[in-house]
Amino acid sequence: TQLLEQSPQFLSIQEGENLTVYCNSSSVFSSLQWYRQEPGEGPVLLVTVVTGGEVKKLKRLTFQFGDARKDSSLHITAAQPGDTGLYLCARPFGNTPLVFGKGTRLSVIA
Amino acid sequence: DADVTQTPRNRITKTGKRIMLECSQTKGHDRMYWYRQDPGLGLQLIYYSFDVKDINKGEISDGYSVSRQAQAKFSLSLESAIPNQTALYFCATSDTGQVKGYTFGSGTRLTVV
Repeated sequence: TQLLEQSPQFLSIQEGENLTVYCNSSSVFSSLQWYRQEPGEGPVLLVTVVTGGEVKKLKRLTFQFGDARKDSSLHITAAQPGDTGLYLCARPFGNTPLVFGKGTRLSVIA
Repeated sequence: DADVTQTPRNRITKTGKRIMLECSQTKGHDRMYWYRQDPGLGLQLIYYSFDVKDINKGEISDGYSVSRQAQAKFSLSLESAIPNQTALYFCATSDTGQVKGYTFGSGTRLTVV
């Protein structure tokens, strides 16, 4: 069972463009986390969203948690080459460890 | 020093060999995890430990074992390595309470030939 679906799987854009990636599930999340993984490194936590409809901003990154808490999006404004990486969403599932989506691999070309 | 340190960073081993991957942390977290990452498959949970006396299997534990030697140390062993265990392996830690997020090590790239 795929608990989290991320789309698109791959995204290649020019520097300065805007983009949105998505994380969806058929079941309600209690919370959702977004991570970024750069080549050769482990994932790094960007943000946690908890409340339905919540919006959080981290510089040029805007994270939104859906009202029904079944989906989340990450919007990047004016993408830069330093944004290149694998973006992962993850959710808790009961008291078990985080379940991760397969990720969106973003490439920003200068 | 990194909060979560994995050794070795890279390892090439032969089929049938036993290999241990080590993880140590300075975060003071009780919870530790081992994940495997393959291209296109995301992060899959191998084993996890919520405290020193607790060990639990994840979704892909076959062919692996773990040891929690102390709060700060959690090692992963491949009893008899096989080529389809070639992957990137990550150790992670977290405080009690999922909302606080995980801290990952930099990974071990394992190749079984």
